Amino acid sequence: EAGVTQSPTHLIKTRGQQATLRCSPISGHTSVYWYQQALGLGLQFLLWYDEGEERNRGNFPPRFSGRQFPNYSSELNVNALELEDSALYLCASSTDRNQPQHFGDGTRLSIL
Amino acid sequence: QQQVKQSPQSLIVQKGGISIINCAYENTAFDYFPWYQQFPGKGPALLIAIRPDVSEKKEGRFTISFNKSAKQFSLHIMDSQPGDSATYFCAAEPYNTDKLIFGTGTRLQVFP
Repeated sequence: EAGVTQSPTHLIKTRGQQATLRCSPISGHTSVYWYQQALGLGLQFLLWYDEGEERNRGNFPPRFSGRQFPNYSSELNVNALELEDSALYLCASSTDRNQPQHFGDGTRLSIL
Repeated sequence: QQQVKQSPQSLIVQKGGISIINCAYENTAFDYFPWYQQFPGKGPALLIAIRPDVSEKKEGRFTISFNKSAKQFSLHIMDSQPGDSATYFCAAEPYNTDKLIFGTGTRLQVFP
């Protein structure tokens, strides 16, 4: 069974640009979660999508947004990039709410 | 603010020894406590998880001990092996939110 896949592996942007990160959940999983793992910090919850709807949001500004497509894949968009947005962005999926979350290997976003 | 405090930050154990990582939480509204293992360049992998209706769960060499009254839970790795060298994260999920709150991680090094 294929795990959660994320693309690209690494993304380099400059301040003020916009970034789009993609996630394909495990087959059969309908919930997708996004987390930010900044250097030296733990994982911070960003967003949760289930059945195409945003269900919960972490303490991040509105320039962090996303969506979930009918095939349950998801995009994370970050607008007006700032230097502190440099981090590993992890996507996780689960079969349903309140079920174990399984993570992909992340997208490393570097802001120059 | 909901927080999960994890200790120690780093841990060095000899092969065959017991590795113990502790986490404490403040909010009593958590109802799911997973542990994740992360190797460099990889996403976190679910190791073992527990719900507050049990005090202990064992899977192979990995055991979670849960103390509801003290609001503490810990991971014990028996017969630690060099292949266990990784960063371990505890997490807690507030009831019905599907949002994991992570500890800051423990870097475990097991020497032969």
